[in-house]
Amino acid sequence: AQSVTQLDSQVPVFEEAPVELRCNYSSSVSVYLFWYVQYPNQGLQLLLKYLSGSTLVKGINGFEAEFNKSQTSFHLRKPSVHISDTAEYFCAVILPSQTSYDKVIFGPGTSLSVIP
Amino acid sequence: DAGVTQSPTHLIKTRGQQVTLRCSPKSGHDTVSWYQQALGQGPQFIFQYYEEEERQRGNFPDRFSGHQFPNYSSELNVNALLLGDSALYLCASSDDPSGAQYFGPGTRLTVL
Repeated sequence: AQSVTQLDSQVPVFEEAPVELRCNYSSSVSVYLFWYVQYPNQGLQLLLKYLSGSTLVKGINGFEAEFNKSQTSFHLRKPSVHISDTAEYFCAVILPSQTSYDKVIFGPGTSLSVIP
Repeated sequence: DAGVTQSPTHLIKTRGQQVTLRCSPKSGHDTVSWYQQALGQGPQFIFQYYEEEERQRGNFPDRFSGHQFPNYSSELNVNALLLGDSALYLCASSDDPSGAQYFGPGTRLTVL
Protein backbone atom coordinates (compact mmCIF):
# COMPACT_ATOMS: atom_id res chain seq x y z
CA ALA A 1 0.00 0.00 0.00
CA GLN A 2 1.09 3.53 -0.67
CA SER A 3 2.04 5.88 2.14
CA VAL A 4 3.38 9.41 2.44
CA THR A 5 5.76 10.76 5.05
CA GLN A 6 6.42 14.40 5.78
CA LEU A 7 9.25 14.38 8.27
CA ASP A 8 8.90 17.97 9.42
CA SER A 9 5.65 18.80 11.17
CA GLN A 10 6.64 22.44 11.61
CA VAL A 11 9.11 24.58 9.66
CA PRO A 12 9.81 28.15 10.80
CA VAL A 13 11.73 30.31 8.32
CA PHE A 14 12.55 33.99 8.07
CA GLU A 15 11.00 36.07 5.34
CA GLU A 16 13.00 36.09 2.06
CA ALA A 17 14.93 32.97 3.12
CA PRO A 18 14.78 29.75 1.09
CA VAL A 19 12.75 26.79 2.30
CA GLU A 20 12.51 23.09 1.58
CA LEU A 21 9.61 20.94 2.74
CA ARG A 22 10.38 17.24 2.61
CA CYS A 23 8.15 14.48 1.33
CA ASN A 24 8.91 10.78 0.99
CA TYR A 25 6.56 8.16 -0.30
CA SER A 26 6.35 4.42 -0.26
CA SER A 27 5.09 2.53 -3.28
CA SER A 28 6.15 -0.51 -5.27
CA VAL A 29 4.77 0.97 -8.47
CA SER A 30 4.80 4.32 -10.18
CA VAL A 31 2.63 7.01 -8.65
CA TYR A 32 1.52 10.52 -9.41
CA LEU A 33 2.73 13.09 -6.88
CA PHE A 34 1.16 16.33 -5.73
CA TRP A 35 1.70 19.22 -3.35
CA TYR A 36 -1.29 21.08 -1.94
CA VAL A 37 -1.41 24.17 0.27
CA GLN A 38 -4.06 24.93 2.87
CA TYR A 39 -4.38 28.46 4.17
CA PRO A 40 -6.10 28.95 7.54
CA ASN A 41 -9.80 28.12 7.47
CA GLN A 42 -9.72 27.23 3.81
CA GLY A 43 -9.74 24.15 1.61
CA LEU A 44 -6.72 22.77 -0.19
CA GLN A 45 -5.23 24.33 -3.32
CA LEU A 46 -3.07 22.47 -5.81
CA LEU A 47 0.49 23.86 -5.96
CA LEU A 48 2.00 21.46 -8.47
CA LYS A 49 1.98 17.90 -9.71
CA TYR A 50 4.38 15.33 -11.14
CA LEU A 51 3.09 12.73 -13.55
CA SER A 52 6.11 11.84 -15.68
CA GLY A 53 8.92 13.43 -17.66
CA SER A 54 11.15 16.16 -16.28
CA THR A 55 11.88 15.57 -12.62
CA LEU A 56 11.78 19.29 -11.80
CA VAL A 57 8.25 20.60 -11.64
CA LYS A 58 7.30 24.25 -11.33
CA GLY A 59 4.09 25.31 -9.68
CA ILE A 60 2.21 28.37 -8.61
CA ASN A 61 3.44 31.09 -6.25
CA GLY A 62 7.10 30.44 -7.10
CA PHE A 63 7.20 26.90 -5.71
CA GLU A 64 8.94 24.00 -7.38
CA ALA A 65 9.48 20.36 -6.52
CA GLU A 66 11.95 17.72 -7.59
CA PHE A 67 11.06 14.07 -8.05
CA ASN A 68 13.76 11.61 -7.07
CA LYS A 69 12.81 8.06 -7.91
CA SER A 70 15.79 6.39 -6.25
CA GLN A 71 15.10 8.17 -2.97
CA THR A 72 11.32 8.05 -3.42
CA SER A 73 11.18 11.73 -2.56
CA PHE A 74 9.31 14.76 -3.83
CA HIS A 75 10.62 17.74 -1.90
CA LEU A 76 9.05 21.18 -2.26
CA ARG A 77 11.23 24.27 -2.49
CA LYS A 78 10.96 28.02 -2.75
CA PRO A 79 14.03 30.28 -3.07
CA SER A 80 12.53 33.20 -1.16
CA VAL A 81 9.43 32.96 1.04
CA HIS A 82 6.92 35.65 1.85
CA ILE A 83 4.69 36.17 4.85
CA SER A 84 1.76 35.08 2.71
CA ASP A 85 3.31 31.61 2.32
CA THR A 86 2.45 30.84 5.94
CA ALA A 87 0.16 27.82 5.62
CA GLU A 88 -0.10 24.04 5.90
CA TYR A 89 1.48 22.08 3.07
CA PHE A 90 0.43 18.56 2.13
CA CYS A 91 2.19 16.06 -0.07
CA ALA A 92 -0.06 13.49 -1.76
CA VAL A 93 0.20 10.46 -4.02
CA ILE A 94 -2.15 8.69 -6.39
CA LEU A 95 -1.73 5.28 -7.92
CA PRO A 96 -2.89 5.63 -11.51
CA SER A 97 -4.89 2.82 -13.01
CA GLN A 98 -6.24 2.10 -16.42
CA THR A 99 -9.83 3.07 -15.81
CA SER A 100 -9.58 5.67 -13.10
CA TYR A 101 -7.22 6.97 -10.54
CA ASP A 102 -7.01 5.40 -7.16
CA LYS A 103 -7.77 7.22 -3.96
CA VAL A 104 -5.51 10.07 -2.97
CA ILE A 105 -3.19 9.42 -0.02
CA PHE A 106 -2.16 12.56 1.85
CA GLY A 107 0.77 13.05 4.15
CA PRO A 108 0.27 14.47 7.65
CA GLY A 109 1.24 17.97 6.56
CA THR A 110 3.98 20.48 7.29
CA SER A 111 3.13 23.78 8.91
CA LEU A 112 5.25 26.54 7.36
CA SER A 113 5.57 29.68 9.46
CA VAL A 114 7.26 32.66 7.85
CA ILE A 115 8.81 35.02 10.40
CA PRO A 116 9.03 38.73 9.55
CA ASP B 1 -16.96 30.35 -12.67
CA ALA B 2 -17.74 29.21 -9.15
CA GLY B 3 -15.37 26.70 -7.69
CA VAL B 4 -16.34 23.88 -5.40
CA THR B 5 -18.97 24.96 -2.91
CA GLN B 6 -19.99 23.25 0.31
CA SER B 7 -22.81 23.74 2.76
CA PRO B 8 -23.21 24.35 5.57
CA THR B 9 -20.00 26.04 6.70
CA HIS B 10 -20.33 24.93 10.29
CA LEU B 11 -22.52 22.37 12.01
CA ILE B 12 -22.96 21.29 15.61
CA LYS B 13 -24.59 17.95 16.40
CA THR B 14 -24.87 15.64 19.39
CA ARG B 15 -23.82 12.03 19.62
CA GLY B 16 -26.18 9.62 17.91
CA GLN B 17 -27.61 12.17 15.52
CA GLN B 18 -27.39 12.06 11.75
CA VAL B 19 -25.93 14.72 9.48
CA THR B 20 -25.98 15.53 5.76
CA LEU B 21 -23.31 17.63 4.12
CA ARG B 22 -23.64 19.00 0.60
CA CYS B 23 -21.20 19.73 -2.20
CA SER B 24 -21.45 21.30 -5.63
CA PRO B 25 -18.47 20.54 -7.86
CA LYS B 26 -16.63 22.97 -10.06
CA SER B 27 -18.45 23.52 -13.33
CA GLY B 28 -17.77 20.70 -15.78
CA HIS B 29 -16.35 18.33 -13.17
CA ASP B 30 -18.01 14.93 -12.99
CA THR B 31 -16.05 13.28 -10.18
CA VAL B 32 -16.56 14.16 -6.52
CA SER B 33 -14.48 12.93 -3.60
CA TRP B 34 -15.03 13.41 0.12
CA TYR B 35 -12.34 13.68 2.78
CA GLN B 36 -12.27 13.90 6.56
CA GLN B 37 -9.59 16.14 8.04
CA ALA B 38 -9.14 15.86 11.78
CA LEU B 39 -7.42 18.72 13.57
CA GLY B 40 -3.70 18.77 12.82
CA GLN B 41 -3.85 15.92 10.32
CA GLY B 42 -3.93 15.41 6.60
CA PRO B 43 -7.19 14.68 4.80
CA GLN B 44 -8.36 11.08 4.89
CA PHE B 45 -10.16 9.74 1.83
CA ILE B 46 -13.75 8.69 2.54
CA PHE B 47 -15.12 7.87 -0.90
CA GLN B 48 -15.42 9.05 -4.48
CA TYR B 49 -18.44 9.30 -6.77
CA TYR B 50 -18.56 9.19 -10.54
CA GLU B 51 -21.66 8.87 -12.70
CA GLU B 52 -23.81 8.65 -9.56
CA GLU B 53 -21.99 5.58 -8.28
CA GLU B 54 -19.43 5.07 -5.54
CA ARG B 55 -16.21 4.26 -7.36
CA GLN B 56 -13.65 4.14 -4.56
CA ARG B 57 -13.92 3.92 -0.79
CA GLY B 58 -11.47 4.48 2.02
CA ASN B 59 -11.37 2.84 5.44
CA PHE B 60 -14.53 4.34 6.85
CA PRO B 61 -17.47 2.46 8.41
CA ASP B 62 -20.84 2.07 6.76
CA ARG B 63 -22.13 4.91 8.91
CA PHE B 64 -20.60 7.09 6.22
CA SER B 65 -22.61 7.03 3.03
CA GLY B 66 -23.03 9.28 0.06
CA HIS B 67 -24.90 10.10 -3.04
CA GLN B 68 -24.24 11.84 -6.32
CA PHE B 69 -27.02 13.48 -8.30
CA PRO B 70 -27.39 13.76 -12.08
CA ASN B 71 -26.04 17.34 -11.94
CA TYR B 72 -22.88 15.90 -10.28
CA SER B 73 -23.57 17.51 -6.91
CA SER B 74 -23.08 15.22 -3.95
CA GLU B 75 -24.10 14.56 -0.37
CA LEU B 76 -22.24 12.97 2.49
CA ASN B 77 -24.36 11.36 5.19
CA VAL B 78 -23.08 10.27 8.56
CA ASN B 79 -25.32 8.25 10.88
CA ALA B 80 -25.03 7.61 14.61
CA LEU B 81 -22.51 10.38 15.10
CA LEU B 82 -19.58 9.81 17.45
CA LEU B 83 -17.40 12.37 19.16
CA GLY B 84 -14.56 11.22 16.91
CA ASP B 85 -16.47 12.30 13.84
CA SER B 86 -15.72 15.92 14.72
CA ALA B 87 -13.58 17.19 11.85
CA LEU B 88 -13.42 19.34 8.75
CA TYR B 89 -15.13 17.57 5.87
CA LEU B 90 -13.74 18.46 2.51
CA CYS B 91 -15.28 17.92 -0.88
CA ALA B 92 -13.14 17.87 -4.00
CA SER B 93 -14.01 17.63 -7.66
CA SER B 94 -11.97 16.73 -10.69
CA ASP B 95 -12.05 16.21 -14.41
CA ASP B 96 -8.32 15.62 -14.58
CA PRO B 97 -7.21 12.07 -15.41
CA SER B 98 -4.14 12.60 -13.24
CA GLY B 99 -6.33 12.95 -10.18
CA ALA B 100 -5.52 16.59 -9.45
CA GLN B 101 -8.46 17.97 -7.53
CA TYR B 102 -10.17 21.22 -6.66
CA PHE B 103 -11.23 21.48 -3.04
CA GLY B 104 -14.08 23.30 -1.43
CA PRO B 105 -13.66 25.30 1.79
CA GLY B 106 -15.04 22.47 3.88
CA THR B 107 -17.75 21.95 6.48
CA ARG B 108 -16.64 22.05 10.11
CA LEU B 109 -18.61 19.41 12.02
CA THR B 110 -18.57 19.44 15.80
CA VAL B 111 -20.12 16.52 17.65
CA LEU B 112 -20.92 17.16 21.33
